Amino acid sequence: GAGVSQSPSNKVTEKGKDVELRCDPISGHTALYWYRQSLGQGLEFLIYFQGNSAPDKSGLPSDRFSAERTGGSVSTLTIQRTQQEDSAVYLCASSLQGAGNEKLFFGSGTQLSVL
Amino acid sequence: GNSVTQMEGPVTLSEEAFLTINCTYTATGYPSLFWYVQYPGEGLQLLLKATKADDKGSNKGFEATYRKETTSFHLEKGSVQVSDSAVYFCALSDRGSGTYKYIFGTGTRLKVLA
Repeated sequence: GAGVSQSPSNKVTEKGKDVELRCDPISGHTALYWYRQSLGQGLEFLIYFQGNSAPDKSGLPSDRFSAERTGGSVSTLTIQRTQQEDSAVYLCASSLQGAGNEKLFFGSGTQLSVL
Repeated sequence: GNSVTQMEGPVTLSEEAFLTINCTYTATGYPSLFWYVQYPGEGLQLLLKATKADDKGSNKGFEATYRKETTSFHLEKGSVQVSDSAVYFCALSDRGSGTYKYIFGTGTRLKVLA
């Protein structure tokens, strides 16, 4: 596609439910990143994929959070047993090779609201 | 670990005023440094970058110089416009185990008044 696509754009869920957030990166981009943007907190790194493997999962807040990437393309971030503090905008970004001087291309994000 | 510290906002300026948004970093090695911008209702996009000490990144009238001696990457613009109103994020690349991730600051909101 032309850019990084995220779905859904908005998700409202009840506390305790599981949610899946999807990211479709730019075709050919090998690196994929998930961030969380909370009001006043900036961008919090969650996880990074190089191809289908995740060499850095250090930002995942708890074991309720997991992510996978298949076919070197689409990635899914899953939050189990959602809590109100999980409410935030979840951003996905991709880059061509995962080198340290590259431009990140961001999606528009998924606004998650946990009631 | 590596980190980025930005000045807190919001920053409110009149049109044509001079802008400085401070950014300092803590890092081992020699990271690349970036400024991203998020306009209202839009996604984050790269504004400029610098990959080594003394490099100057520039775009759309904005500039930032990679200062290793002061570990800083301050964003400047000589004359801001209303259309520059946005949230600005400083970021660095963090190399660990041979791969990179990007660390962002908390963002600085800029409001430019006509």
